[in-house]
Amino acid sequence: DAKTTQPNSMESNEEEPVHLPCNHSTISGTDYIHWYRQLPSQGPEYVIHGLTSNVNNRMASLAIAEDRKSSTLILHRATLRDAAVYYCILRDVDNFNKFYFGSGTKLNVKP
Amino acid sequence: DVKVTQSSRYLVKRTGEKVFLECVQDMDHENMFWYRQDPGLGLRLIYFSYDVKMKEKGDIPEGYSVSREKKERFSLILESASTNQTSMYLCASSLGIGASSGIQYFGAGTRLSVL
Repeated sequence: DAKTTQPNSMESNEEEPVHLPCNHSTISGTDYIHWYRQLPSQGPEYVIHGLTSNVNNRMASLAIAEDRKSSTLILHRATLRDAAVYYCILRDVDNFNKFYFGSGTKLNVKP
Repeated sequence: DVKVTQSSRYLVKRTGEKVFLECVQDMDHENMFWYRQDPGLGLRLIYFSYDVKMKEKGDIPEGYSVSREKKERFSLILESASTNQTSMYLCASSLGIGASSGIQYFGAGTRLSVL
């Protein structure tokens, strides 16, 4: 069973904010939430991660629901270079830090 | 910056051949991982290693083996390649157990075609 559920695709206009949702209703208390993105013909790259509190970095913000059963990756101003597949991942701290990948959301950014 | 280097971007092999995919990381990471990525199935973990000569099976280890003789190098071996092993293979590394971030750094991938 998939540990995370994401929409298959989303579309955004350039310069506008994007909210990418993820459901992880079976998350355990020690699972971290990670977001990665994958550009065409490249390996996945780290975007952001968190445990309970909302997080900000230079790339994005991560909003985590109070019950931790869902989270949202926020890109504040989408650019054409943000077009990628975005993966919401649970990291199992109790099992060698293994990652459980979802199927990802393909983000299309329109000029 | 962390660098994870996979030896080949593209490989074409014949059914039954023994295939070696090599991965090297330069950040002294304890953990290394091999994934395969297929359309509609996402990334699936084949094997991982948490120390030299130590390995653990992932979700789909059948038909694969691994070798980690040195900390920086992790090899994926297809003992007898089959057409259903045609895929994109991705290597990753991360700090070990107890590391707070657990961020995995990925290579660019090797696209393997088995004919």
